[in-house]
Amino acid sequence: EPEVTQTPSHQVTQMGQEVILRCVPISNHLYFYWYRQILGQKVEFLVSFYNNEISEKSEIFDDQFSVERPDGSNFTLKIRSTKLEDSAMYFCASNPQAGEKLFFGSGTQLSVL
Amino acid sequence: AQTVTQSQPEMSVQEAETVTLSCTYDTSESNYYLFWYKQPPSRQMILVIRQEAYKQQNATENRFSVNFQKAAKSFSLKISDSQLGDTAMYFCAFMKRRSGGSNYKLTFGKGTLLTVNP
Repeated sequence: EPEVTQTPSHQVTQMGQEVILRCVPISNHLYFYWYRQILGQKVEFLVSFYNNEISEKSEIFDDQFSVERPDGSNFTLKIRSTKLEDSAMYFCASNPQAGEKLFFGSGTQLSVL
Repeated sequence: AQTVTQSQPEMSVQEAETVTLSCTYDTSESNYYLFWYKQPPSRQMILVIRQEAYKQQNATENRFSVNFQKAAKSFSLKISDSQLGDTAMYFCAFMKRRSGGSNYKLTFGKGTLLTVNP
């Protein structure tokens, strides 16, 4: 089965630093998402992206966050100035059509020190 | 806004037995999708089963089946013949249905940690 690929699997950074989390969605998918999961808590929606623009974002997704699809394959999440509370597992996901199942990547564990 | 409630933080079952995980949701939408995702210790999110709200027939996938009660806004997951590999966190999730255009987000419940004992 095709996979969503995320890199790196683990990222450690200092508070205040910028990080970029990278994702390669499945090639024929049209909808892309970022979710995060703080350890022991539920999975939370951050942002969805369709047709080269953000279609929906949560209140978590403030000005410190941005997403980009710089070419036909990569989908990135940038956190401009990381905070301790940004420490979480970040999942990228994609699906081919509205309502179809989301394929999740294996996640990037971000640790902000 | 939609909410998803999983009232059982933890459950356990003996291998080969059957277990049911509960999920309720609140929405004013009439068209939507419901999902169960499994998250093993590796933390990978794996789709278990998907239900379209306009379909009355309950979805099944091998040992996994759901009891979808639309009027009661209930969506429980039944796992038959439980296996050790079923040990995982299980998340119930809701997605509004939109015709055309962009997609809607998944809203997750807090999860139920299922342990299958040998």
